[in-house]
Amino acid sequence: GNSVTQMEGPVTLSEEAFLTINCTYTATGYPSLFWYVQYPGEGLQLLLKATKADDKGSNKGFEATYRKETTSFHLEKGSVQVSDSAVYFCALSDDYKLSFGAGTTVTVRA
Amino acid sequence: DVKVTQSSRYLVKRTGEKVFLECVQDMDHENMFWYRQDPGLGLRLIYFSYDVKMKEKGDIPEGYSVSREKKERFSLILESASTNQTSMYLCASSSAGTQIGYTEAFFGQGTRLTVV
Repeated sequence: GNSVTQMEGPVTLSEEAFLTINCTYTATGYPSLFWYVQYPGEGLQLLLKATKADDKGSNKGFEATYRKETTSFHLEKGSVQVSDSAVYFCALSDDYKLSFGAGTTVTVRA
Repeated sequence: DVKVTQSSRYLVKRTGEKVFLECVQDMDHENMFWYRQDPGLGLRLIYFSYDVKMKEKGDIPEGYSVSREKKERFSLILESASTNQTSMYLCASSSAGTQIGYTEAFFGQGTRLTVV
């Protein structure tokens, strides 16, 4: 079956630091890949997505590239802000269901 | 603005009670989902529905049932609540999609259920 593995947190960074959250997946078909973000006290919202190999998703300064050869979809941001403090979830879908990773809690300090 | 609304943000119920969690979406989506979110475990799929009156078990359906009588509404039912069902419950919806494997889900705010 499908599965998603994320790097474990929590991750604590200083403002303007570089952020990487690793995500690898296992899937039998050709999944679409997603990063969702959950800010404190809120529901999940889509951060970015990629639907095929070599696609790059981007939003709010975050980027992730769909790497089929390494089955990875790592999330990166070059300069984080305090407002990026949240829980980040990697997810995949090869039908209408989403499979999620365990989530990575990121805290950015001023 | 698209919206998935869950009826309660917080609930406290007693062991053995029958509990109903309600979810409504206004996007005319075909698919609806119930997830459970626990620290360190991410989101785990309980049940989903791809059409009115249709339902399928997810990864952890034991102790739960669902009802979808109307397209916009998807209810999660805990037949006899137990303390190990204390969790955050998230409802989501998505369209049927135009290509295989591409499905963006929209989530509600979540219901934090405590069973005492």
